[in-house]
Amino acid sequence: DAKTTQPPSMDCAEGRAANLPCNHSTISGNEYVYWYRQIHSQGPQYIIHGLKNNETNEMASLIITEDRKSSTLILPHATLRDTAVYYCIVRVAFHAGNMLTFGGGTRLMVKP
Amino acid sequence: KAGVTQTPRYLIKTRGQQVTLSCSPISGHRSVSWYQQTPGQGLQFLFEYFSETQRNKGNFPGRFSGRQFSNSRSEMNVSTLELGDSALYLCASSLGARTGELFFGEGSRLTVL
Repeated sequence: DAKTTQPPSMDCAEGRAANLPCNHSTISGNEYVYWYRQIHSQGPQYIIHGLKNNETNEMASLIITEDRKSSTLILPHATLRDTAVYYCIVRVAFHAGNMLTFGGGTRLMVKP
Repeated sequence: KAGVTQTPRYLIKTRGQQVTLSCSPISGHRSVSWYQQTPGQGLQFLFEYFSETQRNKGNFPGRFSGRQFSNSRSEMNVSTLELGDSALYLCASSLGARTGELFFGEGSRLTVL
C-alpha cells in the first residue's frame, strides 16, 4: 500500500472548517484513500473513503485532487469533540483482507 | 446495535505470564482484526480472521496468536509476556472481507510489570 504524509498537528477554531491535508504521491490507480480518527483513549473511528471523486457524508467531505496525489479531509464546522488524531490511509481496493496501515496521523486541536 | 466489545478493558500482568484478550464483533460481522497501539510504534496490525481463518498476519513474533470461533468472536493470546508488550490492544470488526471499513472496540489496555 502507498505511503501517506500528514502534518503532525493542526489547530482549528471551533465553528470553523478544519481542512486536513494528506499527501499520497505514490498512490496507484486501484488504491482508495481512507480517513479514520481516534479520539483520546478510544478506538479509531471510520470517517470516509474515496477513489477519485469527491465524497461527502454526515461527518465530513473528502476532496481528492485530479492526479490523486493528495487529498483533503474537511470537517465543515469543527466542534471541540472533533479534537482527535486523524489518520489518512491508502489501501488497495478489494484487497484480500481488511488490513490497514496507520501512519502517524495529524493531531487536530479544536479550540474555543 | 451493539458495538465491538472487548474484555477485559484493563489488566496488569508480570513478565513471563500469558494473557488472553477477547473480542465480540458487531452482530453479523465476520471479519475481526487485531491491532497493537503503543506510544513509540503507533497503531500496528497484528492479524485478521475471517470465517475462522487467519487471512493476514502482521510482523509480530510467534508469541502473539489468535483465533476466531464459529460465532465470529475472537481471542488473541500473548505468551511469555515482555515489558514491551504493554500496549492498548484494539479489535475491529467488519461486515465484509475486503471493505476496509472497520469498526473498532475501545481496546484492552495491558500493562506488563
